[in-house]
Amino acid sequence: QVQLQESGPGLVKPSGTLSLTCAVSGGSISSSNWWSWVRQPPGKGLEWIGEIYHSGSTNYNPSLKSRVTISVDKSKNQFSLKLSSVTAADTAVYYCARSRSMEVWGQGTLVTVSS
Amino acid sequence: DIQMTQSPSSLSASVGDRVTITCRASQGISNYLAWFQQKPGKAPKSLIYAASSLQSGVPSKFSGSGSGTDFTLTISSLQPEDFATYYCQQYNSYPVTFGGGTKVEIK
Repeated sequence: QVQLQESGPGLVKPSGTLSLTCAVSGGSISSSNWWSWVRQPPGKGLEWIGEIYHSGSTNYNPSLKSRVTISVDKSKNQFSLKLSSVTAADTAVYYCARSRSMEVWGQGTLVTVSS
Repeated sequence: DIQMTQSPSSLSASVGDRVTITCRASQGISNYLAWFQQKPGKAPKSLIYAASSLQSGVPSKFSGSGSGTDFTLTISSLQPEDFATYYCQQYNSYPVTFGGGTKVEIK
């Protein structure tokens, strides 16, 4: 059974870069799936950030595209998110998920943007 | 972007009630529609994909229907563990978008 686990700093300074990793266990990141990032500001709804295939192909939300980079490391069976020039509006719980229909989710990690 | 509109945004129901949540897409999405349940402080949990296919391990009291622009999630007999927020999601086209959520509360 595939499991996902997010990791990374819980506090990022304004104008800095948010960096998170999603470790995949119980399955291969090279399987026929897209791997997604989703975020949820406190008390609000869900926002899709983007996705990556094991080949390195990516799709991003246009609202974030200029600041987002998603990459994959097949040797470590993980994928990563970088979000640059962060502001308080980027404070959220960040989730990784498998496939576009998101049948498997990580537990999520809260990232706070504050000085 | 495809807008996903859920209704109602919240509802109060009793244990044993049949509950129906509606999701409408701003344009046709075929059956590329998923439903999720989220409890406070927890990650969303997948219930339904492809509009009507039940995820493995999800109780059959949950069912989904619809195609095109109009979709429903039905809980046949509400139990205490079903009180949560429910989201629909379209994955027919980019960007992937979610509905605003429906909070199901105890009456």
